[in-house]
Amino acid sequence: EAGVAQSPRYKIIEKRQSVAFWCNPISGHATLYWYQQILGQGPKLLIQFQNNGVVDDSQLPKDRFSAERLKGVDSTLKIQPAKLEDSAVYLCASSADLAEAFFGQGTRLTVV
Amino acid sequence: AQSVTQLGSHVSVSEGALVLLRCNYSSSVPPYLFWYVQYPNQGLQLLLKYTSAATLVKGINGFEAEFKKSETSFHLTKPSAHMSDAAEYFCAVSAFGNEKLTFGTGTRLTIIP
Repeated sequence: EAGVAQSPRYKIIEKRQSVAFWCNPISGHATLYWYQQILGQGPKLLIQFQNNGVVDDSQLPKDRFSAERLKGVDSTLKIQPAKLEDSAVYLCASSADLAEAFFGQGTRLTVV
Repeated sequence: AQSVTQLGSHVSVSEGALVLLRCNYSSSVPPYLFWYVQYPNQGLQLLLKYTSAATLVKGINGFEAEFKKSETSFHLTKPSAHMSDAAEYFCAVSAFGNEKLTFGTGTRLTIIP
């Protein structure tokens, strides 16, 4: 079974630029999550999708972050414009039930 | 609301010694509890989970954790540490019936040869 795929693995951008991350969940998983992991901290949920609908985006900074999950499969997370404090690892995860989420390897973003 | 507190951001143990990583939770509803491991430049891998069945949960790589409601704890243990156990470990909680995970700040485990 293929795992959660994310790209790119690494990205370096200047502040005020825009960036997009892509996630392909495990086939058949209805729920998809984006987490932000700042160095030295635990992951923090940014947004949760159920199929192509948003379940929870309460911690998503909507003035600069946006996410979509077209057709209930792949998802993209965008930051525009980026700030220095957005430097983090962005983790995508998917799940088929309530008991386990499978994580991708993450995208490490550095904003300079 | 749910939260977890991991005591000790860094833990060092000798190879072959007992591993004990501490996690205390707070939840207004029956919790689901998880331990994840993260190796450098990797995503998170599930070690074990508690979902209201047996209070002693066995996971992969010889790890286990015991749910203690009276102490609101879910500590992770392994009888004998191996060099390959060196990693970052995260405790997480979700509310019954809700998949959203709330993570602790993590504990970095170092194994001394």
